[in-house]
Amino acid sequence: EVHLVQSGAEVKKPGATLKISCKVSGYTFTGHYIHWVQQAPGKGLVWMGLVDPEDGDTIYGENIQGRVTISADTSTGTAYMELSGLRHEDTAVYYCATGPGGDYYMDVWGKGTTVTVAS
Amino acid sequence: QSVLTQPPSASGTPGQRVTISCSGSRSHTGINFVYWYQQLPGMAPKLLIYRDSQRPSGVPDRFSGSKSGTSASLVISGLRSEDEAEYFCATWDDNMSGYVAFGGGTKLTVL
Repeated sequence: EVHLVQSGAEVKKPGATLKISCKVSGYTFTGHYIHWVQQAPGKGLVWMGLVDPEDGDTIYGENIQGRVTISADTSTGTAYMELSGLRHEDTAVYYCATGPGGDYYMDVWGKGTTVTVAS
Repeated sequence: QSVLTQPPSASGTPGQRVTISCSGSRSHTGINFVYWYQQLPGMAPKLLIYRDSQRPSGVPDRFSGSKSGTSASLVISGLRSEDEAEYFCATWDDNMSGYVAFGGGTKLTVL
């Protein structure tokens, strides 16, 4: 069974950099994309981007591009999402999710990491 | 403003059939696959439908998806109380370098 285990909750100050991890188990890390999705309190889902662990290629959402870096470490089966220049509006739950390479749906999701940006 | 438009809310009584719509422009749902996700309160989203109408294993056949032209629909038959959740449609948008676009979500209430 596939499991995605995300790192714990974070509290950050405005302007800081956040880095969240997502450890995958139960399937071959390569051959699947890892996606990151943001959900602000009471709001909808916003796709941040994906990484293809096979070759490290990334695609980022247009609204977040420039501040986000997504990466994957095939030696540990772990994906990372780094968000810089944090703003209060980055307060959200961040989900990692996996899906088949070459398609864009997410069939297994992590439980989410709660991030609070506060002075 | 999402490229996919969903009604903000829907409702039904147990046993009823409910349809949730997802409307996009031709450059999105007219070409690319539509996916549907269910998010129960306080939980991570769950994939319900992929490639317009395919159900992952474990998803009851009460849930079905379809697409016609620039619109997609999620139909829930035999509505149950545990179906009360937020439902999101999504698709791949080829604009720029491409990205996953989510609809704004539909809150389904089981009366």
